[in-house]
Amino acid sequence: NAGVTQTPKFQVLKTGQSMTLQCAQDMNHNSMYWYRQDPGMGLRLIYYSASEGTTDKGEVPNGYNVSRLNKREFSLRLESAAPSQTSVYFCASSDGGAVTNYGYTFGSGTRLTVV
Amino acid sequence: SQKIEQNSEALNIQEGKTATLTCNYTNYSPAYLQWYRQDPGRGPVFLLLIRENEKEKRKERLKVTFDTTLKQSLFHITASQPADSATYLCALQNRDDKIIFGKGTRLHILP
Repeated sequence: NAGVTQTPKFQVLKTGQSMTLQCAQDMNHNSMYWYRQDPGMGLRLIYYSASEGTTDKGEVPNGYNVSRLNKREFSLRLESAAPSQTSVYFCASSDGGAVTNYGYTFGSGTRLTVV
Repeated sequence: SQKIEQNSEALNIQEGKTATLTCNYTNYSPAYLQWYRQDPGRGPVFLLLIRENEKEKRKERLKVTFDTTLKQSLFHITASQPADSATYLCALQNRDDKIIFGKGTRLHILP
């Protein structure tokens, strides 16, 4: 099983450019998440989707938009990239709800640099 | 505000000994506490989940304790091996499924 697949793995953008980070999971999970990870800051939640058709803001949503395209796919869009958005972005998925014993499954990350 | 604290300094442990990592939290009443492992350049990998009404959980060489009175979890790796070297993340989870992560502790197992 592929688990959670993120594309691209690396990206360099110029300030003001836009791009979409793609994420797909093949585990039939209901919930999907986007995190960013910065040195000294840990993982911070950007947006999440508890189920197909719903999205909600996390801790650091400014400058980002998301789309839950279907149950499998959850994309993150940067409309006008800024150097402060240089980070490693992780997508994750889970069964959702309070009974999971398996935690979150993470993708391998997208390393984004904005110059 | 909610806060999770893990040792920010790296932990060096001799191979074969037990490594113990600490996770403390404030202003939070989690229903679940999770531990993840993260290797350089990789995403976190789920290891163990413990519920608020459980005191201890074991999986192979791993043991997690959860003290809701002290607001603390301890993560133990027994008979540690160099392959256990990684960053370990503590995560707190509410009943609505959202997780907040600690910043992690780097563990080095010395051969």
